[in-house]
Amino acid sequence: DAKTTQPPSMDCAEGRAANLPCNHSTISGNEYVYWYRQIHSQGPQYIIHGLKNNETNEMASLIITEDRKSSTLILPHATLRDTAVYYCIAAPAYYGQNFVFGPGTRLSVLP
Amino acid sequence: GAVVSQHPSRVICKSGTSVKIECRSLDFQATTMFWYRQFPKQSLMLMATSNEGSKATYEQGVEKDKFLINHASLTLSTLTVTSAHPEDSSFYICSCRGANQPQHFGDGTRLSIL
Repeated sequence: DAKTTQPPSMDCAEGRAANLPCNHSTISGNEYVYWYRQIHSQGPQYIIHGLKNNETNEMASLIITEDRKSSTLILPHATLRDTAVYYCIAAPAYYGQNFVFGPGTRLSVLP
Repeated sequence: GAVVSQHPSRVICKSGTSVKIECRSLDFQATTMFWYRQFPKQSLMLMATSNEGSKATYEQGVEKDKFLINHASLTLSTLTVTSAHPEDSSFYICSCRGANQPQHFGDGTRLSIL
């Protein structure tokens, strides 16, 4: 699975958009970009995933560059409850999907 | 959304005890289940992958005789930590993947061996 790199930490003001970047320059053609977050002492929560088109759901938007070497997760209106560690993972869609978790980005939403 | 239930959420027991952790997919059939371990201030590390009805595949460095995995049905997998010792204390997390579904994680089991 492709390795991803993320900034170790970010701050965001409550109510503002949080833009979390991820680099995955070695991503393969069959690998999707997945985003999960982990709130302290809980299991990771699925947020969104995509292959090459931008995706949006009720939680977030995912913007993937045309060359697929990087992506950005956007939380449009961050709340204090969005404070968590966010993981970006590149992995095949379903079969053979072994997630390799990096250290992620610790997002702190500030009041 | 997909729900994965993990039980118990917390276990405290004496050294030498065997501990069983259950992972259930409540609203979908999990063809594959994964077990992870997370030490304090570290990221999740995959321990093993199991497909329903098959033997689990363990990651390098994970002892299969110590961490017994059973995936007897499409909704249930168990992880048994045999003869647990203090160094086995960790946060154990399962995840489930069904057809056309990304992995969904349980809320984890915090294991403390005294």
